Amino acid sequence: EIVLTQSPATLSLSPGERATLSCRASQSVSSYLAWYQQKPGQAPRLLIYDASNRATGIPARFSGSGSGTDFTLTISSLEPEDFAVYYCQQRSNWPPHFGPGTKVDIK
Amino acid sequence: QITLKESGPTLVKPTQTLTLTCTFSGFSLSTSGVGVGWIRQPPGKALEWLALIYWNDDKRYSPSLKSRLTITKDTSKNQVVLTMTNMDPVDTATYYCAHIVRGSRCYFDYWGQGTLVTVSS
Repeated sequence: EIVLTQSPATLSLSPGERATLSCRASQSVSSYLAWYQQKPGQAPRLLIYDASNRATGIPARFSGSGSGTDFTLTISSLEPEDFAVYYCQQRSNWPPHFGPGTKVDIK
Repeated sequence: QITLKESGPTLVKPTQTLTLTCTFSGFSLSTSGVGVGWIRQPPGKALEWLALIYWNDDKRYSPSLKSRLTITKDTSKNQVVLTMTNMDPVDTATYYCAHIVRGSRCYFDYWGQGTLVTVSS
């Protein structure tokens, strides 16, 4: 099984700042990685698929990059509604588990 | 538009079998490339993928839970059913069903609201 690790566990930032979240895979997943956002009490929302493709309706301030084992989700300028937990997920190999998540909270 | 909704018991006793139903609209599970998955989330913890079913009845299960899970579909009713046997308090979680991005095998683009299942005697 491929294990995903996310860092940092918590990221404390202010609105307007840039957020950089990392997801690392235990072996190469090529570009088959997605990012989700989850706010308290809500279901997750797909942000990015296949490393760098924004899902429908996702603002341009969200971008994804990386391939192989190292991936990054960047939020260029944090809006108040962006404070949430972010998960990565791979689809290269079964099972398509999620990472443990990174919480972005308000500094 | 695509919507999904989970239904089932909110409380089950240890050792009982949990049966959850996902009722969806806006797509058909008889259409090539379509799939539905189940994901759960214990309180305060991360997402855990459980099972998937595709239009062609191909099924996939989490290896750690495979012996306890069964996923089925009823195309005529637009429903997917997940059963989990031998429930334990550690299975207390919010259970979500979700639509799979066509062609992705297992990315989820539309999610139900989730249903909280508590396992307690």
